[in-house]
Amino acid sequence: AQSVAQPEDQVKVAEGNPLTVKCTYSVSGNPYLFWYVQYPNRGLQFLLKYITGDNLVKGSYGFEAEFNKSQTSFHLKKPSALVSDSALYFCAVFRQAGTALIFGKGTTLSVSS
Amino acid sequence: SQTIHQWPATLVQPVGSPLSLECTVEGTSNPNLYWYRQAAGRGLQLLFYSVGIGQISSEVPQNLSASRPQDRQFILSSKKLLLSDSGFYLCAWSRQNEQFFGPGTRLTVL
Repeated sequence: AQSVAQPEDQVKVAEGNPLTVKCTYSVSGNPYLFWYVQYPNRGLQFLLKYITGDNLVKGSYGFEAEFNKSQTSFHLKKPSALVSDSALYFCAVFRQAGTALIFGKGTTLSVSS
Repeated sequence: SQTIHQWPATLVQPVGSPLSLECTVEGTSNPNLYWYRQAAGRGLQLLFYSVGIGQISSEVPQNLSASRPQDRQFILSSKKLLLSDSGFYLCAWSRQNEQFFGPGTRLTVL
């Protein structure tokens, strides 16, 4: 069965420091991987996706993610965190192409000034 | 461009009352549509998805139901709400291996 794990409930970083939000996956076949961000009482906003191609994927708001097949990971990164990046981040994988997403539990990112 | 609407934005209902949440998509045709529930600001649980009018797949047995009376309309319903139905309900549609989410409905059952 497809699954996604986000091992950290919370990540705290200081503004200007690099940030990493971790995600590992378990899928059969080629994974379709996604990162979404959610601000309080709002819907999910798409950040980036990996379908195929370059292992380093660049997305919105300066975020990027690195697909690592050998480690089955898709960690979200940003070189310099902003206070406005504070939010809830979800990693997700398509259950099967064209069907529903399976989400991780989410990681709360807190960026302090 | 495509947009997705959900209403109401917030809802407070007593236990045992009925529920109807509506989701509509504009700017696309024959989308796959989804209902998710998010409890306590954490993970999302897939409730229903639909690949076409009248075609509903249920993921979790519970007292909720879904219907798709029109191509771009997806409705989540309940005949009698439970306290455990409280949460944030998100509608989504998909295209080419991407999912796009609506603004959500905050449901509080008292």
